[in-house]
Amino acid sequence: KQEVTQIPAALSVPEGENLVLNCSFTDSAIYNLQWFRQDPGKGLTSLLLIQSSQREQTSGRLNASLDKSSGRSTLYIAASQPGDSATYLCAVGTSGTYKYIFGTGTRLKVLA
Amino acid sequence: DAGVIQSPRHEVTEMGQEVTLRCKPISGHDYLFWYRQTMMRGLELLIYFNNNVPIDDSGMPEDRFSAKMPNASFSTLKIQPSEPRDSAVYFCASSRTRLTGPTEAFFGQGTRLTVV
Repeated sequence: KQEVTQIPAALSVPEGENLVLNCSFTDSAIYNLQWFRQDPGKGLTSLLLIQSSQREQTSGRLNASLDKSSGRSTLYIAASQPGDSATYLCAVGTSGTYKYIFGTGTRLKVLA
Repeated sequence: DAGVIQSPRHEVTEMGQEVTLRCKPISGHDYLFWYRQTMMRGLELLIYFNNNVPIDDSGMPEDRFSAKMPNASFSTLKIQPSEPRDSAVYFCASSRTRLTGPTEAFFGQGTRLTVV
């Protein structure tokens, strides 16, 4: 059974810092991995999708990497801003079952 | 496209009442997912459909929960009778698949359910 863990559960950093969020999964036989952002009381917004054959994806100040063999993905946020404050969730997509299993999330607060 | 649309956004009901949550997926998406989010358990997959057919309902907590997808543009999640522990945010998501696996999932804004 696939289990997805995110560490840390919460993170508080001053504005301008570069930061890394971690996502670990137990079964390396994944199809893809998706990073989401969730603002309080809102739905999930897709940030980046990495296919299992890829090692990283970039969008603006965000960079997501994937190491299937070690069961890890990281989301790198450059030059953090207060507007980046939100909960970040990773979700592992599985072949065959076509469903996403979510991690527990990292709650990020960027201080002005 | 307007994205995944869920209704209502908020629902407050009394214990024992029937609750129906609604979802309209993105046009052209062949997979639809129902998730439940709580502080204690995070995001849990309840059930998902492919081409309107339920594929995996192993996440449905009890027989009080049922879901239907009568056509490609509409799905419902029903709780009957509702209990206070069903209070959560319920999300609907849709995606379009390739032959070998899922593509990007898009989520609705969720329905916040409170059972008193």
